[in-house]
Amino acid sequence: ETGVTQSPTHLIKTRGQQVTLRCSSQSGHNTVSWYQQALGQGPQFIFQYYREEENGRGNFPPRFSGLQFPNYSSELNVNALELDDSALYLCASSSRGGVLAGGPHTQYFGPGTRLTVL
Amino acid sequence: DQQVKQNSPSLSVQEGRISILNCDYTNSMFDYFLWYKKYPAEGPTFLISISSIKDKNEDGRFTVFLNKSAKHLSLHIVPSQPGDSAVYFCAASARTGGFKTIFGAGTRLFVKA
Repeated sequence: ETGVTQSPTHLIKTRGQQVTLRCSSQSGHNTVSWYQQALGQGPQFIFQYYREEENGRGNFPPRFSGLQFPNYSSELNVNALELDDSALYLCASSSRGGVLAGGPHTQYFGPGTRLTVL
Repeated sequence: DQQVKQNSPSLSVQEGRISILNCDYTNSMFDYFLWYKKYPAEGPTFLISISSIKDKNEDGRFTVFLNKSAKHLSLHIVPSQPGDSAVYFCAASARTGGFKTIFGAGTRLFVKA
């Protein structure tokens, strides 16, 4: 069973640029959620994708957007980067509607992408 | 609006003793609660969970207690081991919210040998 993977590991961008982060779900999982974790804080929910459609969004502006592909992998895109976007971005996969261990509530996280905006 | 709160940023415990990590929530729609553990440079790892219809769930050295009337849950680790030193996140989700998960700020646990 393959775990959740994310790329790249680290990324440095300048203010105003655009960035794309990638995530491969754990095998058999059909739901992907993205989180932003700033230093000293817990993960903050950005949005969730289920069956290639956005299915819930946190308090993040529209310049944060995403995609989920037929193989359940996902991308997080951030436009017009701001200094406050510097954080660890975590992807988590889960299984909804199936019988895999953990059910729909339990999420399996990737190691994250550390984004630094200068 | 912090729906899930962990009021203790850190906790230090002697090896072999009990560690108790606390969490409070405000949203009565939450129907599932989870604890995740995070080591540096890794993503959070699922530890244990509890449904809102239960008040206790045990898995080896880890037990989670839920007090719905107080909107409070706790994680007990006994006996604590040095390898348990990590950041612990309390999280809550609701089926009506599409299983969106809200995390607390975390508690850093130090287990001293």
